[in-house]
Amino acid sequence: QVQLVESGGGLVKPGGSLRLSCAASGFTFSDYYMTWIRQAPGQGLEWVSSISSGGDNRYYVDSLKGRFTISRDNAKNSLFLQMNSLRSEDTAVYYCARDVETALDQWGQGTLVTVSS
Amino acid sequence: QSALTQPASVSGSPGQSITISCTGATSDVGNYNLVSWYQQHPGKAPKLMIYEVNKRPSGVSNRFSGSKSGNTASLTISGLQVEDEAGYYCCSYTANNTLLFGGGTKLTVL
Repeated sequence: QVQLVESGGGLVKPGGSLRLSCAASGFTFSDYYMTWIRQAPGQGLEWVSSISSGGDNRYYVDSLKGRFTISRDNAKNSLFLQMNSLRSEDTAVYYCARDVETALDQWGQGTLVTVSS
Repeated sequence: QSALTQPASVSGSPGQSITISCTGATSDVGNYNLVSWYQQHPGKAPKLMIYEVNKRPSGVSNRFSGSKSGNTASLTISGLQVEDEAGYYCCSYTANNTLLFGGGTKLTVL
């Protein structure tokens, strides 16, 4: 069955960096777009970034451009999100999801990122 | 870009029907039949309930249905059950190759 497992979250100081990973299994990873979504405590869902199946095309929410970088390693069935210059408002649960280009049909359980001094 | 507009909360009694609206613009909901809906129980990951406005993934109850008129999409849940109590989010693809979520609606089953 399809499984997405995020890791790499934790506590980081403002201005710090963190790299999130998402390990995929149960499907042909290289056939699918992948997407990161985040959810601040008690708040709604926010789309963060998407990457095409081959990694050639990357899309970001305007407010994060330049600080976050999405990437993937199809040989290792893995998705990544490099987060730099972190701010308190980046505190959230970060989910990875399989993107079938009309919807996000499979989600991981999420990893919590806390930005605090 | 601002989030799609959803009511903050709706409620209904078991067996009743409710509808949650999701209002966007011509650059997203109005111009693309790429609206999806997600259900999220507290502490859990979201689950896809409706895609492409009105299609149900395998395994999702036919009590859930979707529709769209102009810039507004809607999710209807018929025959409400206690387990339907959750947060619901709409989402649309946009003209900029991005995704835009609604602010979310908390459904209470009284």
